[in-house]
Amino acid sequence: EAQVTQNPRYLITVTGKKLTVTCSQNMNHEYMSWYRQDPGLGLRQIYYSMNVEVTDKGDVPEGYKVSRKEKRNFPLILESPSPNQTSLYFCASSKLAGDSGANVLTFGAGSRLTVL
Amino acid sequence: AQTVTQSQPEMSVQEAETVTLSCTYDTSENNYYLFWYKQPPSRQMILVIRQEAYKQQNATENRFSVNFQKAAKSFSLKISDSQLGDTAMYFCAFRGRNTDKLIFGTGTRLQVFP
Repeated sequence: EAQVTQNPRYLITVTGKKLTVTCSQNMNHEYMSWYRQDPGLGLRQIYYSMNVEVTDKGDVPEGYKVSRKEKRNFPLILESPSPNQTSLYFCASSKLAGDSGANVLTFGAGSRLTVL
Repeated sequence: AQTVTQSQPEMSVQEAETVTLSCTYDTSENNYYLFWYKQPPSRQMILVIRQEAYKQQNATENRFSVNFQKAAKSFSLKISDSQLGDTAMYFCAFRGRNTDKLIFGTGTRLQVFP
């Protein structure tokens, strides 16, 4: 089954304790992206990657890191989490837009993170 | 910069009735894509419908249809014969023709009552 898998689905942590949210896709997609969802703000892009070793900041990158060492994996790293990073996080992937523009983002199931 | 606006934070509809969710966007591009995503209580993001700006015909998917007004930059979602399972948050989203980034609105929470 074609899918994007995120782990963990739920996490409660404390301020300053480093954590990683993993994301893996099995569709050989070049493009991967992380979003956070907050009430009243919709989904906002944190980071994205257009291929292996190619990553770039989205709209709200502060406090986050990512890496893309393999095509299928795109982990989100919170080096020193703070309470304002309490949110619902989504990983998504797609083929590159290119000339067809027919790509559609496939989302993971979401990861609910609480930072105390 | 492109923006997407959903001006209805919450809406409700009775089962079997029709409801329309509004979405407006701002862009200087001529070719782009518009989407409606559904997020039920399970939190999964589910693509409902997609519209290509260069196509004049409004997209339809079963009970879901859009009213795409390119000049007005409006992209509303009509849900016909509403069902209890339509209860969800609905997000409108924009993507430029040759970009990969999806820009979301703030969402409309729809409640379907029996």
